[in-house]
Amino acid sequence: TQLLEQSPQFLSIQEGENLTVYCNSSSVFSSLQWYRQEPGEGPVLLVTVVTGGEVKKLKRLTFQFGDARKDSSLHITAAQPGDTGLYLCALTLDAGNMLTFGGGTRLMVKP
Amino acid sequence: NAGVTQTPKFQVLKTGQSMTLQCAQDMNHEYMSWYRQDPGMGLRLIHYSVGAGITDQGEVPNGYNVSRSTTEDFPLRLLSAAPSQTSVYFCASSRGGEAEAFFGQGTRLTVV
Repeated sequence: TQLLEQSPQFLSIQEGENLTVYCNSSSVFSSLQWYRQEPGEGPVLLVTVVTGGEVKKLKRLTFQFGDARKDSSLHITAAQPGDTGLYLCALTLDAGNMLTFGGGTRLMVKP
Repeated sequence: NAGVTQTPKFQVLKTGQSMTLQCAQDMNHEYMSWYRQDPGMGLRLIHYSVGAGITDQGEVPNGYNVSRSTTEDFPLRLLSAAPSQTSVYFCASSRGGEAEAFFGQGTRLTVV
């Protein structure tokens, strides 16, 4: 059982649709990061959420950290083909900033 | 800006061979780490280092060794390659804490 569970694992949608992906844990964590990975590249940080209930926006992407600090969501409005990629949530388990990742949501946005 | 550089990008090994995956960063980060990525499993931590001369094991360390003689370099050694080590390997560096982790482009390794 992974510490972080992401859902759905795969998502294929048409351009212009909205979508939400989820990251859940049975444990409380102090902060969580979202990364996006494109084929053939390493993950790139999108956002860090640190406060329960926090909402952060990055253009068409909205990130929310659950009040209980055990879950997070990423909502994309009017998805574009350029949003295609693997979305990963991750948390740090200790002061060494060694990230533990969820299994990821693979998103494909068709033109 | 080079960031985190990994070499090689692709490698095919025969079972039992050894090799070293190179990782270098030019951001003067203290923290460096190695992950492997397999389909449907996200990234799993192999080994990490919180500074020159200090290394520790992650979630899946068996079959791999690391050393950290300088701040810039963090090589990963496969001692005797096995087909189960076929994967994509990523090196990352950061300032620690909740700071952003920067990743290399990865090394795709196939063991036959």
